[in-house]
Amino acid sequence: DAKTTQPPSMDCAEGRAANLPCNHSTISGNEYVYWYRQIHSQGPQYIIHGLKNNETNEMASLIITEDRKSSTLILPHATLRDTAVYYCIVRAPSGNTPLVFGKGTRLSVIA
Amino acid sequence: NAGVTQTPKFRILKIGQSMTLQCTQDMNHNYMYWYRQDPGMGLKLIYYSVGAGITDKGEVPNGYNVSRSTTEDFPLRLELAAPSQTSVYFCASSYSWVGQGRDIQYFGAGTRLSVL
Repeated sequence: DAKTTQPPSMDCAEGRAANLPCNHSTISGNEYVYWYRQIHSQGPQYIIHGLKNNETNEMASLIITEDRKSSTLILPHATLRDTAVYYCIVRAPSGNTPLVFGKGTRLSVIA
Repeated sequence: NAGVTQTPKFRILKIGQSMTLQCTQDMNHNYMYWYRQDPGMGLKLIYYSVGAGITDKGEVPNGYNVSRSTTEDFPLRLELAAPSQTSVYFCASSYSWVGQGRDIQYFGAGTRLSVL
């Protein structure tokens, strides 16, 4: 079972920031938080990951609370092409530990 | 760079037929995975491999078989197709950088399978 809890759906106006929350209250000390997204039944796409510090890349920012029990993925200027299902995944950094996908959050970006 | 390539893209099988879903990656990744995704649901892991000659079961392995004879290829075999295997199948690969958690999985475009 997924170790994370996400809202089933969210809306965001085009051009505004999209803030997607994720609860992972049982996260262990060596587990990372990963975010993937899946656009219209394509294969999932990696977005960002982090351990305890906030992270930023060209796609998004990841804010992790100090107690690491929750995190927020931020898409700073959402576009229609960001409409997708976003998955928050917690796992230890080993290829032997596969990704466990929950149902994710369906983000709809509205013009 | 092609990344992860899956064939075929679509397939319709009759109950009891067999088929092999092909997956190949050109990134020299050591880890490969097979997932299935039922409508409206998240992905579930079927099998994975940590290197050539080594495979292991995931969450839903029943009705499937895999082999990994080369680094590049990881085919998924359905021996006796059943309607419950109607799904979208995704193959993925990754290279494990354990120390930095940089174990990013790259996914193929998927194979849409219907068993009637």
